[in-house]
Amino acid sequence: AQSVAQPEDQVNVAEGNPLTVKCTYSVSGNPYLFWYVQYPNRGLQFLLKYITGDNLVKGSYGFEAEFNKSQTSFHLKKPSALVSDSALYFCAVRAKVSGGYNKLIFGAGTRLAVHP
Amino acid sequence: EAGVTQFPSHSVIEKGQTVTLRCDPISGHDNLYWYRRVMGKEIKFLLHFVKESKQDESGMPNNRFLAERTGGTYSTLKVQPAELEDSGVYFCASSQEWTSGWNTGELFFGEGSRLTVL
Repeated sequence: AQSVAQPEDQVNVAEGNPLTVKCTYSVSGNPYLFWYVQYPNRGLQFLLKYITGDNLVKGSYGFEAEFNKSQTSFHLKKPSALVSDSALYFCAVRAKVSGGYNKLIFGAGTRLAVHP
Repeated sequence: EAGVTQFPSHSVIEKGQTVTLRCDPISGHDNLYWYRRVMGKEIKFLLHFVKESKQDESGMPNNRFLAERTGGTYSTLKVQPAELEDSGVYFCASSQEWTSGWNTGELFFGEGSRLTVL
């Protein structure tokens, strides 16, 4: 079965420090991986994706993620956290279904709290 | 360009009542998805429309849930009768196309409809 795991309910980090939000996945075939962010009272916003190519992908707001095939991981990172990065982060993987269509399977989300 | 809009933003109803959620996707997007997030859990897939057709409804919890997309534009999700466990945030998302190939599957989400069943 295809699934996504985000092992941490919450990550706390001081402003200016690097941050990592963890994600592991299970999928058949080549993975298409995504990170979305949800700010308070807002919908989910796309951050970045890995389809193919370089294992390190860069996205919006200075975030990046590293794809590691052997560890089936796709951790989200940022070199220097901002208080405004505080939000709920969701990792997702594309799952193929019949007819050539796709859907996204999400993890449970990780709340990132950046303290001044 | 307008994004995905959902209505209502918050609905509070009593067990046994009916609620209808509406989603207006981005204009021209053939694919429309419904997802639900129960507090603290993952965002779970409910169903997927391609235009007006239900492509995948494997995530619909039971027959109390009815989704429609007449004319292939906006969609409604009706819960009748609502139960306590139906509480959560219902997200709608759309994409222009999503078939096997190079389309990457990025979805555009609405702000969600929070449903509280008392």
